[in-house]
Amino acid sequence: DAKTTQPNSMESNEEEPVHLPCNHSTISGTDYIHWYRQLPSQGPEYVIHGLTSNVNNRMASLAIAEDRKSSTLILHRATLRDAAVYYCILLYSSASKIIFGSGTRLSIRP
Amino acid sequence: DTAVSQTPKYLVTQMGNDKSIKCEQNLGHDTMYWYKQDSKKFLKIMFSYNNKELIINETVPNRFSPKSPDKAHLNLHINSLELGDSAVYFCASAGWGSQYFGPGTRLLVL
Repeated sequence: DAKTTQPNSMESNEEEPVHLPCNHSTISGTDYIHWYRQLPSQGPEYVIHGLTSNVNNRMASLAIAEDRKSSTLILHRATLRDAAVYYCILLYSSASKIIFGSGTRLSIRP
Repeated sequence: DTAVSQTPKYLVTQMGNDKSIKCEQNLGHDTMYWYKQDSKKFLKIMFSYNNKELIINETVPNRFSPKSPDKAHLNLHINSLELGDSAVYFCASAGWGSQYFGPGTRLLVL
């Protein structure tokens, strides 16, 4: 299974943009890049996913490098409710088993 | 309406007991999962069912037996509970490009 590498933790200020990086140098051509997050005491929550092109939704944007070996999750304006562990995951399909790494623990300063 | 629900939310029991955790999804998905999150917060997949059939069985002790009476339900029965079974168990279902997780069942074995 292809692996992803993320920083253990990051801090940001409220109402500022946050860029969460992820390296996936062994990604295969059929792997989708998914991001999930886990808020304290809750189950993981889907954030966004993409294959090659950059993607936007109401929660975040996903910027994918041209060679697909890295990606960045962008929260445009962080709020205190965005404090969570963010997981970057490679999936062949949504029905594939998710292998969670340790993720990035994001803290938001008021 | 809750998409993926689990009962009970908390479960405290003695070593050696048998217990069950129930999961229901109202999303119409064909694929459901059980994940385990240990005290170090690592999330690992345990089982996956597609349309009531087992498709993924990670290295999980025989004491854990999933049961899917229909595609909207995936229950987890645990025999002879051990201290190491203490964890948070998450149910999930897959569809529309992502997985949807339940709120978790916090199991404490004394």
